[in-house]
Amino acid sequence: GAGVSQSPSNKVTEKGKDVELRCDPISGHTALYWYRQSLGQGLEFLIYFQGNSAPDKSGLPSDRFSAERTGGSVSTLTIQRTQQEDSAVYLCASTLGGWSNQPQHFGDGTRLSIL
Amino acid sequence: SQQGEEDPQALSIQEGENATMNCSYKTSINNLQWYRQNSGRGLVHLILIRSNEREKHSGRLRVTLDTSKKSSSLLITASRAADTASYFCATYTGANSKLTFGKGITLSVRP
Repeated sequence: GAGVSQSPSNKVTEKGKDVELRCDPISGHTALYWYRQSLGQGLEFLIYFQGNSAPDKSGLPSDRFSAERTGGSVSTLTIQRTQQEDSAVYLCASTLGGWSNQPQHFGDGTRLSIL
Repeated sequence: SQQGEEDPQALSIQEGENATMNCSYKTSINNLQWYRQNSGRGLVHLILIRSNEREKHSGRLRVTLDTSKKSSSLLITASRAADTASYFCATYTGANSKLTFGKGITLSVRP
């Protein structure tokens, strides 16, 4: 597709379960970003990929969070042993190059609810 | 604290009026960007203004940047109900830095 695609759009799971969130960036975009947006808040940076490597993963809140990117395209964000405070909207964005003067293109996010 | 902070937090206006939103930041920037987010959707880029620019226009949008005051404003003229959304400013400080977002302004345009 033409834009950034995220799946699932909504995910409800029980506390303690693992979840995987997927991001499919715009074709040809080498840079990919994950953010977390809590209710009524701004965007909290989680991790940045350039190609398949992650030069900046400083925003991951704990070792329960991990992300990978394969083939320089699709990325998955995995949250292990989910906690209620993990409930948020997880947004993915991509750009042609890395952090730069280019605007970021966002997907519509995955709304994660931990019961 | 946030690099970019928007003001006001919420704004309610009548259709046809102008909406002015402000963003202040703390450190020197390479560029400042404004994004819009409709309810339940991702962010959409509106406009980017570089540190050596003072004003930019895009359709009904006008953005100003005052680097001496470390502030920017977004003006939406002749607002429409469809402009109802949250608006975020984001700052990029250059070379290997992140794009840092503010908490956003909720704009409601009453028909």
